[in-house]
Amino acid sequence: GAGVSQSPSNKVTEKGKDVELRCDPISGHTALYWYRQSLGQGLEFLIYFQGNSAPDKSGLPSDRFSAERTGGSVSTLTIQRTQQEDSAVYLCASSSELGYEQYFGPGTRLTVT
Amino acid sequence: AQKVTQAQTEISVVEKEDVTLDCVYETRDTTYYLFWYKQPPSGELVFLIRRNSFDEQNEISGRYSWNFQKSTSSFNFTITASQVVDSAVYFCALSESGAGSYQLTFGKGTKLSVIP
Repeated sequence: GAGVSQSPSNKVTEKGKDVELRCDPISGHTALYWYRQSLGQGLEFLIYFQGNSAPDKSGLPSDRFSAERTGGSVSTLTIQRTQQEDSAVYLCASSSELGYEQYFGPGTRLTVT
Repeated sequence: AQKVTQAQTEISVVEKEDVTLDCVYETRDTTYYLFWYKQPPSGELVFLIRRNSFDEQNEISGRYSWNFQKSTSSFNFTITASQVVDSAVYFCALSESGAGSYQLTFGKGTKLSVIP
């Protein structure tokens, strides 16, 4: 079946602009996660959605970051007023149940110039 | 707080050699899950294995095997008769029941290069 998809695959933006990154999880997976991978920080958890429960935003690095998940499926990660330190690969993952393996998408490489 | 340590930053082996990637974890939870992921040069993270904290049985899958030892908080990964296609960055990860979201805490990764 189809895996996790993310768009765009690459995004170059100027400092101070807003960006939106999209994730389409595996059909039927109720848990959705966003992570960030950068050279300096490795792989970091950002935010988590599970069904209709309130999201776990404990990993978001600043209030410039926000995310939503519509209809229990597609999720959008928004970064406002981008900074150069936001440059990273943003990964989305989904899981069928809590504690089960997470399947990752190909990521969005964000470059802030 | 949970932590995963992969002390080996980079390893190079010659094809057909066996190689073991080390992973040590820290957690206060009694219920937790351990994972290994592979990230080839293409960049996508590929799931390899999941173990829960109550199952210390070692697992073998083809040329891959995993040794889980709670006494030493380790979850090591061995590749037997390595091949060039095994060249990748390998990540060990932990998720805990105490963290309601079961998010993954990753180690820094071990870059494996298999030389033909």
